[in-house]
Amino acid sequence: KQEVTQIPAALSVPEGENLVLNCSFTDSAIYNLQWFRQDPGKGLTSLLLIQSSQREQTSGRLNASLDKSSGRSTLYIAASQPGDSATYLCAVDSNYQLIWGAGTKLIIKP
Amino acid sequence: DVKVTQSSRYLVKRTGEKVFLECVQDMDHENMFWYRQDPGLGLRLIYFSYDVKMKEKGDIPEGYSVSREKKERFSLILESASTNQTSMYLCASRPPSLNTEAFFGQGTRLTVV
Repeated sequence: KQEVTQIPAALSVPEGENLVLNCSFTDSAIYNLQWFRQDPGKGLTSLLLIQSSQREQTSGRLNASLDKSSGRSTLYIAASQPGDSATYLCAVDSNYQLIWGAGTKLIIKP
Repeated sequence: DVKVTQSSRYLVKRTGEKVFLECVQDMDHENMFWYRQDPGLGLRLIYFSYDVKMKEKGDIPEGYSVSREKKERFSLILESASTNQTSMYLCASRPPSLNTEAFFGQGTRLTVV
């Protein structure tokens, strides 16, 4: 059974720093991996989708990588800003079902 | 702009009540999903639907049912609400093809007292 883990559960960094969020999964048979952002009390917003054949995707200051063989993905955020404060969730698409990590709560200190 | 709309942001219901959570999407997506989200547990799939009048159980369907009478609307029903169903409920939709994004509603925070 696919399991998705995100470490750390929470992270606090000063504004301007570059940072990396981690996501690991147990079964490499995936269609894609998706990163989402969730603001407090709100729904989820899709950030990046990496197909299983791809190694990385970029959107602005965000870069997501995928290493299927090792069961890992990272979300790199460059030059962090207070507006980046949110919970970041990853989900793997296995058999057309999204399997979710519990998320990393990110706080960017001004 | 694509949109998934959930009928309520906050709901407070009493134990034993029948509760309806409504979700409407305007993207003509075939697939719709209901999740619940609890601290430390991530999102757990309750039910999903691949088409009108079709439904499939997710990981935690007990105590819930769903209805999909029209393509754009997917309703989650709590037959007899209990306190352990206090949670954030999230609706999502996505196209049927692979490697497509899921779009989420704003969530409904349900409290059962």
